[in-house]
Amino acid sequence: GQQLNQSPQSMFIQEGEDVSMNCTSSSIFNTWLWYKQDPGEGPVLLIALYKAGELTSNGRLTAQFGITRKDSFLNISASIPSDVGIYFCAGWNSGNTPLVFGKGTRLSVIA
Amino acid sequence: DGGITQSPKYLFRKEGQNVTLSCEQNLNHDAMYWYRQDPGQGLRLIYYSQIVNDFQKGDIAEGYSVSREKKESFPLTVTSAQKNPTAFYLCASSPRTGRAGENIQYFGAGTRLSVL
Repeated sequence: GQQLNQSPQSMFIQEGEDVSMNCTSSSIFNTWLWYKQDPGEGPVLLIALYKAGELTSNGRLTAQFGITRKDSFLNISASIPSDVGIYFCAGWNSGNTPLVFGKGTRLSVIA
Repeated sequence: DGGITQSPKYLFRKEGQNVTLSCEQNLNHDAMYWYRQDPGQGLRLIYYSQIVNDFQKGDIAEGYSVSREKKESFPLTVTSAQKNPTAFYLCASSPRTGRAGENIQYFGAGTRLSVL
């Protein structure tokens, strides 16, 4: 099936630093989603993207739908301790197929 | 409150035993999903259902079974054929599967299954 390559796999950053992560695919997607999972909980939707080139913000988070439609990016500005967790990208192409999820980026913030 | 409820939060299984994980939603969503999460493996789709009385296998359906007799309920049974069941199991729902904007999945809080 389709696969999403999410990178980096994990990252350790200092509080206050900016964070960038990305998700790439060999296939075109028509929807890109970004989720965050806190330890021991289910993922929660952060941002949804529906058009190539779209740039959407949610507080300190900004995500972009790549113009090739094969990638998406998530940036977090001025990280804080509560940003700790696993960030998942998800994509959808077409038809009655479920979302495809990346393997996640585990973010650790050092105070 | 509207949402997805998974129970129990923690579950222990003995060797050779079947166990059933519960998932209930009151969001009036047509589609429901079960995922398995192992460390570093992301979310792997076990089964999904787009409508009552219908379901499809995901990527790792072997050793699992599901039913969808009611719109709001999608229980997952981990059978004795699943030799490595220890994992975190997540249930999700969406208004639909195949329509942009309506296929956003909302997740429950998960059930952690361990083998005794």
